[in-house]
Amino acid sequence: DTGVSQNPRHKITKRGQNVTFRCDPISEHNRLYWYRQTLGQGPEFLTYFQNEAQLEKSRLLSDRFSAERPKGSFSTLEIQRTEQGDSAMYLCASSDTGQAGYEQYFGPGTRLTVT
Amino acid sequence: GDSVTQMEGPVTLSEEAFLTINCTYTATGYPSLFWYVQYPGEGLQLLLKATKADDKGSNKGFEATYRKETTSFHLEKGSVQVSDSAVYFCALSTGSARQLTFGSGTQLTVLP
Repeated sequence: DTGVSQNPRHKITKRGQNVTFRCDPISEHNRLYWYRQTLGQGPEFLTYFQNEAQLEKSRLLSDRFSAERPKGSFSTLEIQRTEQGDSAMYLCASSDTGQAGYEQYFGPGTRLTVT
Repeated sequence: GDSVTQMEGPVTLSEEAFLTINCTYTATGYPSLFWYVQYPGEGLQLLLKATKADDKGSNKGFEATYRKETTSFHLEKGSVQVSDSAVYFCALSTGSARQLTFGSGTQLTVLP
């Protein structure tokens, strides 16, 4: 079990550019969640997948945000036309619906800085 | 909607002091409750959990009891160590999505 991994760990981009982040969940986990954490706050839920199906996306912050999990394994989160307000830590977590309590295990996050 | 309210920090304690971090929640249905910890420079780690009323979660000397009547899940430790210095987040999950709703976090600093 190698845990949840996220790449890149840091991303600096200029306003207006598109960025894409990748998350690799724990291999046997069928659920994958994306959260955003701003400084001094708790993580905020964005979207989640069960296998390849995106079951909730109404909490994505705007239509500039999109996520995919095409084969039910890794996932990508894309932000188009980035804005300075998008600067935050983007967290990925995975869980196994066969496990009581649906514990979520978090990756180290991708820190985005928009200049 | 669901929400979690946490005791505001920062909290500074001396080593071996008793720790309490208060957490109360509002939720529809019957949530599961969690404490996560974030050490400096590291990702969120699950510290403990409780899935039904009166359950006590415990780990590494930390404890929290799911109190439905007071909608609370306070974190306690009898004797803190310098290595416990971190940010602590209370969270709940409910419904079919089981997404986590977090409090704003409490920064704990333990001095030697």
